[in-house]
Amino acid sequence: GAGVSQSPSNKVTEKGKDVELRCDPISGHTALYWYRQSLGQGLEFLIYFQGNSAPDKSGLPSDRFSAERTGGSVSTLTIQRTQQEDSAVYLCASSLVASGGTHVGEQYFGPGTRLTVT
Amino acid sequence: GENVEQHPSTLSVQEGDSAVIKCTYSDSASNYFPWYKQELGKGPQLIIDIRSNVGEKKDQRIAVTLNKTAKHFSLHITETQPEDSAVYFCAASRTSGTYKYIFGTGTRLKVLA
Repeated sequence: GAGVSQSPSNKVTEKGKDVELRCDPISGHTALYWYRQSLGQGLEFLIYFQGNSAPDKSGLPSDRFSAERTGGSVSTLTIQRTQQEDSAVYLCASSLVASGGTHVGEQYFGPGTRLTVT
Repeated sequence: GENVEQHPSTLSVQEGDSAVIKCTYSDSASNYFPWYKQELGKGPQLIIDIRSNVGEKKDQRIAVTLNKTAKHFSLHITETQPEDSAVYFCAASRTSGTYKYIFGTGTRLKVLA
């Protein structure tokens, strides 16, 4: 079956512009995560969605970053007024979570969106 | 805050030799520890994981050990092959609340033919 897909694969934008990054999780996965990977760095947690629960936004670096997940499936990460330090690869992952919130499965990652802010 | 330290940052080994990567975590409530392999231009892929009720897990040439008391866990790759060359990330997670992973900073492994 299809894995996690992300679009676009590459995005170049000018400083100050807004960008939207899209993630299509694996069908049936109720949990969705966004991470950021800066050049030569590890993966930094941004935000987590699980079912209809309020998202965990504790990793968002500033109020210029926001994300939504419509219909429990597709998610969009929006960065407003982009800055050069926003340049990174943005990775999305999804996983199965059993009813009652017991974690059951690994996180499957998409290929990422490489964002370059000029 | 929660933190995962990973060493070494780079590792070069001769083909056929073993490679060991070590991680230390700070959150004592962590109880799930996955290892991911990331090849150039791709997203990370899970290669092995271990839960806190187990001290060791092996899958062919790959093994992971966990010392919960010391908050250490390690990845062992035996009989390395050129296709093992990649960046490896360890992570720690809880299995309640938010299941976010706290990742280490990665190890670039080069297997020399």
